[in-house]
Amino acid sequence: SQQGEEDPQALSIQEGENATMNCSYKTSINNLQWYRQNSGRGLVHLILIRSNEREKHSGRLRVTLDTSKKSSSLLITASRAADTASYFCATRTGGSYIPTFGRGTSLIVHP
Amino acid sequence: DAGVTQSPTHLIKTRGQQVTLRCSPKSGHDTVSWYQQALGQGPQFIFQYYEEEERQRGNFPDRFSGHQFPNYSSELNVNALLLGDSALYLCASSPNRGETQYFGPGTRLLVL
Repeated sequence: SQQGEEDPQALSIQEGENATMNCSYKTSINNLQWYRQNSGRGLVHLILIRSNEREKHSGRLRVTLDTSKKSSSLLITASRAADTASYFCATRTGGSYIPTFGRGTSLIVHP
Repeated sequence: DAGVTQSPTHLIKTRGQQVTLRCSPKSGHDTVSWYQQALGQGPQFIFQYYEEEERQRGNFPDRFSGHQFPNYSSELNVNALLLGDSALYLCASSPNRGETQYFGPGTRLLVL
């Protein structure tokens, strides 16, 4: 079953623009992580935000978490063609150390 | 430092056959998890191994089994393959109770 659901399913932008994708989840979480996947290969961990945090930054990435709305957003600023990939949110709940992944957002950045 | 490695990269099998996929974790990691990712979907958790035992299991039938060796490497076995088993199989490693998992490149399995 999917805990997190990303929105939109697909996003197409021009290089230099910002990309925003959202993740909504159903139950209380311990943390939420964002991963990137290029061309159906392995996932790369981008950023982790804990339930008591509201915002985190890593380079051109900015993640926010609103636990009252059970949602998170990933912002990629000044996007590049190399950012073209699928982006997944993954939530951890309760005592489990297993993240539950959403279906992902497919991002295409046109040069 | 080598990351997570998986073999083979691609595999073609026919229905009813059995398959074994292999994974070597990142150096220093002792926990290995396996995921199945169907086309257009997110990874679905199969099971996790720690100290050579299955610690947690997702909603997958008993046809899916695994093993972890003393050097922390792991195998995923799938018996009586079905067409629906066609997917990308991902291995992820982490330190015990680690919050972040490191993924391998995956094995793409096609069942005909």
